[in-house]
Amino acid sequence: GQSLEQPSEVTAVEGAIVQINCTYQTSGFYGLSWYQQHDGGAPTFLSYNGLDGLEETGRFSSFLSRSDSYGYLLLQELQMKDSASYFCACDNYGQNFVFGPGTRLSVLP
Amino acid sequence: NAGVTQTPKFQVLKTGQSMTLQCAQDMNHNSMYWYRQDPGMGLRLIYYSASEGTTDKGEVPNGYNVSRLNKREFSLRLESAAPSQTSVYFCASSEDSGTGPEKLFFGSGTQLSVL
Repeated sequence: GQSLEQPSEVTAVEGAIVQINCTYQTSGFYGLSWYQQHDGGAPTFLSYNGLDGLEETGRFSSFLSRSDSYGYLLLQELQMKDSASYFCACDNYGQNFVFGPGTRLSVLP
Repeated sequence: NAGVTQTPKFQVLKTGQSMTLQCAQDMNHNSMYWYRQDPGMGLRLIYYSASEGTTDKGEVPNGYNVSRLNKREFSLRLESAAPSQTSVYFCASSEDSGTGPEKLFFGSGTQLSVL
């Protein structure tokens, strides 16, 4: 089976940088994804790391270290609209995704 | 393009009633999924279908059945609803990159209450 851990809540101020960590235990790991979900909405894709290293997409970056079973999502220049829940998800044997419990990010003015 | 369309958006059932949640995608994706999300929790996989004609169990399949009617449609059926099935249900689809799915596209969700 697979299990993922991430902090339950993170708080930061507008304009700051925040890092959301994710550790995983898995037997069929192919890659790590990140999703954003606003209250009442559907999850939306942010990034995918199939290889070790950093992937950058605008203000968001994601990192993966397979040897450490660890990844993180880095959000820069935080905006109020970034207040949401963020989920890491493991690609399970290339067949489906197993999601972490989610991190609720609150951005304060 | 509509993406992934789920119906209904809201549903209230009594214990023991049955219903089917419908899902359709217009992106020509091979893989489709059903997840449930309970308050304050992540998404848990109920069933998935890697291609038309195939379905597989996920983490929490008990109490559910699925049908991959064709490449576009993937339905989820509750034969005898129980209060424990009160949840928000999300359908998703993904394209196959050759090494497996990399990106999930989600529908807007169905909020189901079982009384």
